[in-house]
Formats: sequence, C-alpha cells, structure tokens
Amino acid sequence: SQQGEEDPQALSIQEGENATMNCSYKTSINNLQWYRQNSGRGLVHLILIRSNEREKHSGRLRVTLDTSKKSSSLLITASRAADTASYFCATDAKGSQAGTALIFGKGTTLSVSS
Amino acid sequence: DGGITQSPKYLFRKEGQNVTLSCEQNLNHDAMYWYRQDPGQGLRLIYYSQIVNDFQKGDIAEGYSVSREKKESFPLTVTSAQKNPTAFYLCASRGGTGVFGELFFGEGSRLTVL
Repeated sequence: SQQGEEDPQALSIQEGENATMNCSYKTSINNLQWYRQNSGRGLVHLILIRSNEREKHSGRLRVTLDTSKKSSSLLITASRAADTASYFCATDAKGSQAGTALIFGKGTTLSVSS
Repeated sequence: DGGITQSPKYLFRKEGQNVTLSCEQNLNHDAMYWYRQDPGQGLRLIYYSQIVNDFQKGDIAEGYSVSREKKESFPLTVTSAQKNPTAFYLCASRGGTGVFGELFFGEGSRLTVL
C-alpha cells in the first residue's frame, strides 16, 4: 500500500534556485520523514518531523507538515548540482507498533543544472 | 564504521533458480526491513523483522522468504516462485523497538534475471 504521493514526479531547475517538493498521505501519522537517493544507491535520511510539529529546518532544508491536509513539503534552498537525486517521503502510521515499516511514496526526481 | 552491508551488489539469476541476498548490520538495531524498488517507482515492502526469530510479511511477500536467526543478519531469498524478480533490493534497519526513528539503508543489490 502506497501511503505517500510526491508531487511533482520530476523537477528541473538551475543552480541557485529553490526546489519545492510536496507529499500527500492518506492516514494519520506519528511522524513523516524525507529521504534522498542518488542514482543506483541506497536511501539517506534527511529529516524527520513529528505529527505535533509544523516546521523544521536542517541546513538548506525546510520541511513543513500540515496534518489537517495530510500533506508535507520539502524546500531545498539555493540548490546545487550535487542536490540532483530522487527524494522520497515516508510515514509511520499513527497507532503502529515501534519497528513496523515505513511506507514510502514514489518520489520526486530533482535535476539541478549548472 | 557502523552501517549496513548488502551483498552482492549485482546478481544474475537464471529462470528457476533461487538466490539469496545478504544483509548484515552492526548498528545493534532490533528492526530490519527488505524493500523492492522498480525503475521510477517508490519502495515496496517485502518483509520486516522487529526482533530475532520473528518476521512479518509486507505488501509483496509472495515469492520471497527471509530468516532472522541473528540480530545482525536478515537474508532475503528470492525463490523461483517470484515471477518478476528483476529489481533493485534495499535492506534497512532501525534502532530499538521503542523508537520511531530513521531508517538506515544499505547500498542495495541489483538482481537481473537472464
């Protein structure tokens, strides 16, 4: 079952521009996480936002969470060519046991050209 | 260094053969997971284990089997019953059964059926 759906599926921007990706999910959550995947590699955790938080920052990353709309956004400011990757949101369903699996969306492929 | 090691990185299988993908972690994590990723797709859950000697089916468990005899190891066998096994397989772990934290991923194993 696919919980999160990212939008857009693909995004192309120039270096220095900001990139915004959105994620919508279906059921109530404990937290929402964003991951990055370089082509052919494993995923790397970027940031986790809990259901009682509305915004979180980490370096050039800004994540917002709107539980009433069941949506989240990831903003990457001042993009660099090295930010080229796929970005996935993932959720822990509310009420799930600790250790149960995260459910991932299909991802947004970001291409940053210099 | 602490982390997750998947092997082999590339694997070729003839039709009708079983193959086993290895996943080892030295992070002392209780929970481990196997995901499958197809081109341009998100991650789909195959199996997960919250504790040694216990595992649960995910959304696409048919044609796969796992074991969890040691905390550090969670091998995945792709059986001949899996009709479309060509994919990228990702193993992950998560810290402690009482924590809804981030997943740590291996670098993946790419399986191709000849």
